[in-house]
Amino acid sequence: AQSVSQHNHHVILSEAASLELGCNYSYGGTVNLFWYVQYPGQHLQLLLKYFSGDPLVKGIKGFEAEFIKSKFSFNLRKPSVQWSDTAEYFCAVKINTNAGKSTFGDGTTLTVKP
Amino acid sequence: DAGITQSPRHKVTETGTPVTLRCHQTENHRYMYWYRQDPGHGLRLIHYSYGVKDTDKGEVSDGYSVSRSKTEDFLLTLESATSSQTSVYFCAISGPTGALTGELFFGEGSRLTVL
Repeated sequence: AQSVSQHNHHVILSEAASLELGCNYSYGGTVNLFWYVQYPGQHLQLLLKYFSGDPLVKGIKGFEAEFIKSKFSFNLRKPSVQWSDTAEYFCAVKINTNAGKSTFGDGTTLTVKP
Repeated sequence: DAGITQSPRHKVTETGTPVTLRCHQTENHRYMYWYRQDPGHGLRLIHYSYGVKDTDKGEVSDGYSVSRSKTEDFLLTLESATSSQTSVYFCAISGPTGALTGELFFGEGSRLTVL
């Protein structure tokens, strides 16, 4: 079964710092990749997604992610974080043979200090 | 936001009692999912449905059953709740492309506490 690893469980940054959250998956075939964000007390919402094409994808609120197939990675980046980015971030992977089922990483809690 | 409503949003119950959580969608999407969210475990799939009366197990299905008698409703039942089932439960639906892309839209969550 595929697995998804998020290496950073809790990241603390000051406002304006740059962010990179790691995500690696274990599956050698074609995948669709996602980052979801969960703000405190809210449900998960899609931040960005990669299906095919340009491996650098841009999402909402200035986030971007790069798919590196050779490294099985899909890292999330933001050049300058804001206090409002404080949230939990989940990487998810869907392999093409799975009926819509995505596997989620354990999540990374980001705390941005004002 | 996708039209997904979960009920109840909060429930406290005692060990051994049955509990049913309801997910209602207004999007008429075929695929629906139940996940549980626990600290340090991310989201784990409990059961999913790919149509009326068509359901299948996820990775943590023990102790849970589901039913889908209408496209818009997907019920999750804990026949006899245990403390290990204390969690936040999220319902999700696939987007307009169905299950092809894997993109999910989530409900607001149901927080269940089993004493």
